[in-house]
Amino acid sequence: KQEVTQIPAALSVPEGENLVLNCSFTDSAIYNLQWFRQDPGKGLTSLLLIQSSQREQTSGRLNASLDKSSGRSTLYIAASQPGDSATYLCAVKWVKTSYDKVIFGPGTSLSVIP
Amino acid sequence: AAGVIQSPRHLIKEKRETATLKCYPIPRHDTVYWYQQGPGQDPQFLISFYEKMQSDKGSIPDRFSAQQFSDYHSELNMSSLELGDSALYFCASSLGTSDKLFFGSGTQLSVL
Repeated sequence: KQEVTQIPAALSVPEGENLVLNCSFTDSAIYNLQWFRQDPGKGLTSLLLIQSSQREQTSGRLNASLDKSSGRSTLYIAASQPGDSATYLCAVKWVKTSYDKVIFGPGTSLSVIP
Repeated sequence: AAGVIQSPRHLIKEKRETATLKCYPIPRHDTVYWYQQGPGQDPQFLISFYEKMQSDKGSIPDRFSAQQFSDYHSELNMSSLELGDSALYFCASSLGTSDKLFFGSGTQLSVL
């Protein structure tokens, strides 16, 4: 059974700090992994998508890495800003013969203190 | 650029009523996913469609059904609504299985 976990559940950091969010998954035969940001009561905004053949993706101050063999992905946020405060979710996709499935982790709630 | 459109944005129903949620994927996207997100919870996968055929089923109650139409839009039909069905319902679309998911803004369903 595929499962996705995220640690920490919540994180509070002062503005300017670099931080790392973690995502772990069972069944390393993933198809891709996507990081999302969600503001309270709002929809999901895609941040980065990593295909199973890739090791990392970068967009601005964000860098996501993928280690399939250990079932882990990390989202690195450089020079955090108050506007980064949100919940960050990773979503893992598996594509099998009879189905494709995307499962979300529980999210990390980030607060960046000015 | 066109995004995933969901309607309605908000819906208030009473127990035992029915509700229909609609999702219009990004043009040319052929895959649609439905998720349910309760307060403070992560999105839970309900059901997905690829090329108008159901491709996978998650924790969707038997009271719910969904389909994808010839124009690729999808509808989630919910009957005999219960208080616990109150949640934010998201639809996402992608082009095949390799592309990233694009989410709509969701439909907030409140069952009174």
